[in-house]
Amino acid sequence: QQQVKQSPQSLIVQKGGISIINCAYENTAFDYFPWYQQFPGKGPALLIAIRPDVSEKKEGRFTISFNKSAKQFSLHIMDSQPGDSATYFCAARRGFKTIFGAGTRLFVKA
Amino acid sequence: DTGVSQNPRHKITKRGQNVTFRCDPISEHNRLYWYRQTLGQGPEFLTYFQNEAQLEKSRLLSDRFSAERPKGSFSTLEIQRTEQGDSAMYLCASTSDTRRKLFFGSGTQLSVL
Repeated sequence: QQQVKQSPQSLIVQKGGISIINCAYENTAFDYFPWYQQFPGKGPALLIAIRPDVSEKKEGRFTISFNKSAKQFSLHIMDSQPGDSATYFCAARRGFKTIFGAGTRLFVKA
Repeated sequence: DTGVSQNPRHKITKRGQNVTFRCDPISEHNRLYWYRQTLGQGPEFLTYFQNEAQLEKSRLLSDRFSAERPKGSFSTLEIQRTEQGDSAMYLCASTSDTRRKLFFGSGTQLSVL
C-alpha cells in the first residue's frame, strides 16, 4: 500500500542548516497531510499538518510546502538542531484512514 | 490527554504460539487504530474501530490476526500461530471524530523466535 512515497531515506544535516524531506502521493481523494516525528522506542507524534487547499503552513522552525497540481509536499526544518534527530514520516489521510510514507532518518550533526 | 497505553512493551515468543496485545486509548477517543511497523518502514495500517465496531481491516492481514474492542474502550490484538515474519512493532493509535490527529502509544515490540 505504497500510496505515499517519501525521500530521502536518510539525511545528515549540520546544526543550523535546513533539512528538507519530500513526499509524493497518488490518490487525489486524500484530504489531510500530516508529518509525524518518531524517536527510538516511541510511537510517532504529530509534528505539523496541512490541508490541500493551503500551499504553505509554518509552525516555528517547521514548514510544510504543498503543491496540489504536482501531488507533492515537503517538510522544511529551519535551523536544524541535534534534538531534531529522529525519523520523520509524511502521511496522507482519506476519511478516517491514514497512510504513512516509509520514513526519513534525520541526523543533525553538532 | 493521559496518553495511549500499550501492554506489554516487549513480547518474545516462540513460533507457533499465540500472543495478545492490549491497547488503552485516550478515554474520550472513539476511534482506535492498529498499525504494524517493521524496521526502517513507516507504520502499516492493520485495522480500525469506531467505538466497538471494526470498520476496516487491511487485506494484508491474514486470518491469524484478530482484533476486538469490547464496549468501545480498550482493544486487544491477537496473533495466532505466530510466524517469524510477524516480528514487528505493533502500534495503537486513537482519535475522535472531531480531530484529525492520531495519538500513538509507544507500541509493543514482538519478537518471534
